[in-house]
Amino acid sequence: GDSVTQMEGPVTLSEEAFLTINCTYTATGYPSLFWYVQYPGEGLQLLLKATKADDKGSNKGFEATYRKETTSFHLEKGSVQVSDSAVYFCALKSWGKLQFGAGTQVVVTP
Amino acid sequence: DAGVIQSPRHEVTEMGQEVTLRCKPISGHNSLFWYRQTMMRGLELLIYFNNNVPIDDSGMPEDRFSAKMPNASFSTLKIQPSEPRDSAVYFCASSGQGEATNEKLFFGSGTQLSVL
Repeated sequence: GDSVTQMEGPVTLSEEAFLTINCTYTATGYPSLFWYVQYPGEGLQLLLKATKADDKGSNKGFEATYRKETTSFHLEKGSVQVSDSAVYFCALKSWGKLQFGAGTQVVVTP
Repeated sequence: DAGVIQSPRHEVTEMGQEVTLRCKPISGHNSLFWYRQTMMRGLELLIYFNNNVPIDDSGMPEDRFSAKMPNASFSTLKIQPSEPRDSAVYFCASSGQGEATNEKLFFGSGTQLSVL
């Protein structure tokens, strides 16, 4: 079935460092792809999305590009802040419902 | 808008007891989802409703779990009898009907369930 696989965490980095979280997907068609973020003690929030190949989603300094050739949707941010510490989930929409990856915890230290 | 509201925030119960989790979706949203989050299994979709009708309950673990949506503004997830392995955070989420919103889930803050 359709699924996403993302890199394991935790990812620990210093403030202002570059962040990349890898996500690859398996799907029979061309699903919409998403990144959700979960801050401590809260529910998930949509961070960005892309609906077709070569689309780039962006929000709050984060970006991800829908790469059909590599079936990937890696999340990047050029300069992270302590406030970016959270768990990040890659997801795809399949048969009307979202399939989430396992989540990647990101810890940003001052 | 108050967002998706879940209650209780925390629930501690003993094995064998009945547990009822509640959810109020965002007004006007027509899809509602129940997820369970654990360290071992990550985020699992249990069931989702569209216009108050259960569409896919294939993620419901077993007959001890049941979910209802009697109207557009309320849903419950019930576990009877509860077991320690049911301990998890249970999230409710809703989404709207328009193309711009039907792919965006709005999550509640979750219910932390501990079954002793």
